[in-house]
Amino acid sequence: KAGVTQTPRYLIKTRGQQVTLSCSPISGHRSVSWYQQTPGQGLQFLFEYFSETQRNKGNFPGRFSGRQFSNSRSEMNVSTLELGDSALYLCASSLLARDTGQETQYFGPGTRLLVL
Amino acid sequence: GENVEQHPSTLSVQEGDSAVIKCTYSDSASNYFPWYKQELGKRPQLIIDIRSNVGEKKDQRIAVTLNKTAKHFSLHITETQPEDSAVYFCAASTSASKIIFGSGTRLSIRP
Repeated sequence: KAGVTQTPRYLIKTRGQQVTLSCSPISGHRSVSWYQQTPGQGLQFLFEYFSETQRNKGNFPGRFSGRQFSNSRSEMNVSTLELGDSALYLCASSLLARDTGQETQYFGPGTRLLVL
Repeated sequence: GENVEQHPSTLSVQEGDSAVIKCTYSDSASNYFPWYKQELGKRPQLIIDIRSNVGEKKDQRIAVTLNKTAKHFSLHITETQPEDSAVYFCAASTSASKIIFGSGTRLSIRP
């Protein structure tokens, strides 16, 4: 099976612009989660989508939004970019294990966003 | 809110020695505890996980222990090798798939 893929891999934007990142989950995975990774803050949970619905949300401002399509592909959007939004954005897909009721997450390679 | 604390933030050990990374969690409903390894420039990769009905789990040189009463869990790497150098993240999750990560431990193996 192909792994989680993310596009683009690198992106440079300027303050005030908006950006859309894309994530394609592992085939059959219906849950997609997004994380922001910065050197000082580690892995911060943004939100999680399941069956086109936002199921969980982290503590990020409303400038950060996302959506999921019927094929489970997900996009996240950041509007009015700030310098502090520079980070590696990771998505992870997961599949519910029927025997344990747990979902193991598998990460994509990330999109590195630089805001100038 | 939910919180996962991880210590130490950096760890340097001699090749062949053991390394231990410790985490504590705040949400008593947490029942799934994965550990991820992230090598430089690469994505986090799941290396081992433990569920709340198990106290210890081993996979070759890696072991994880869980103390539910104290809300502690730890990663133990024995006979460390250069390829073990990476950033390690612990995490805690309820069954709702919202995973909270620790702040990471940068492990360096000295030759």
